[in-house]
Amino acid sequence: NAGVTQTPKFQVLKTGQSMTLQCAQDMNHNSMYWYRQDPGMGLRLIYYSASEGTTDKGEVPNGYNVSRLNKREFSLRLESAAPSQTSVYFCASPRDPARTEQYFGPGTRLTVT
Amino acid sequence: DQQVKQNSPSLSVQEGRISILNCDYTNSMFDYFLWYKKYPAEGPTFLISISSIKDKNEDGRFTVFLNKSAKHLSLHIVPSQPGDSAVYFCAASGGAQKLVFGQGTRLTINP
Repeated sequence: NAGVTQTPKFQVLKTGQSMTLQCAQDMNHNSMYWYRQDPGMGLRLIYYSASEGTTDKGEVPNGYNVSRLNKREFSLRLESAAPSQTSVYFCASPRDPARTEQYFGPGTRLTVT
Repeated sequence: DQQVKQNSPSLSVQEGRISILNCDYTNSMFDYFLWYKKYPAEGPTFLISISSIKDKNEDGRFTVFLNKSAKHLSLHIVPSQPGDSAVYFCAASGGAQKLVFGQGTRLTINP
């Protein structure tokens, strides 16, 4: 039981390149979330998905797109990466669908040069 | 507009003593509060939570206190251990299982 998995763990992109961050959860929960963590800023919500086929913007959605193709997977896409998107990205899903606590993946460290 | 604030970027405490981490919030619609612990190169892990209908919740060495009138919560760790050295984030929720996080406080436990 891995909980929440993320790939890749590290990535370096040049400005303007695109990439997709993958997230999968095996807890069979409806909700999934993407956050970014920056020094001095805490974790900020980029997008979330309350259920399969639905997505909503969070606090910092500009420059990102998401896809919730099935209950298990929630991907985050950067169409044209910018240095301001250098960050650590975390995917999360609730520990229990009836509770608020979220279980986080190990993160993807992205550097855009 | 920072709705959840942790005003101390860092805190240093001697092993065996009490660690107190503080968090303030501005949104009165928040009704559930959580603390997460994060080690380097890992995802945050849930530590303890409290509902707005309570003013205290305890789990082993960890206790969270909530003062709704002051919009303030604190995490007490007693006694502090070297393995407690990490970054601690407080978070708040006003529904839909969405969380708003503070900036984090780096706790260092000195032997």
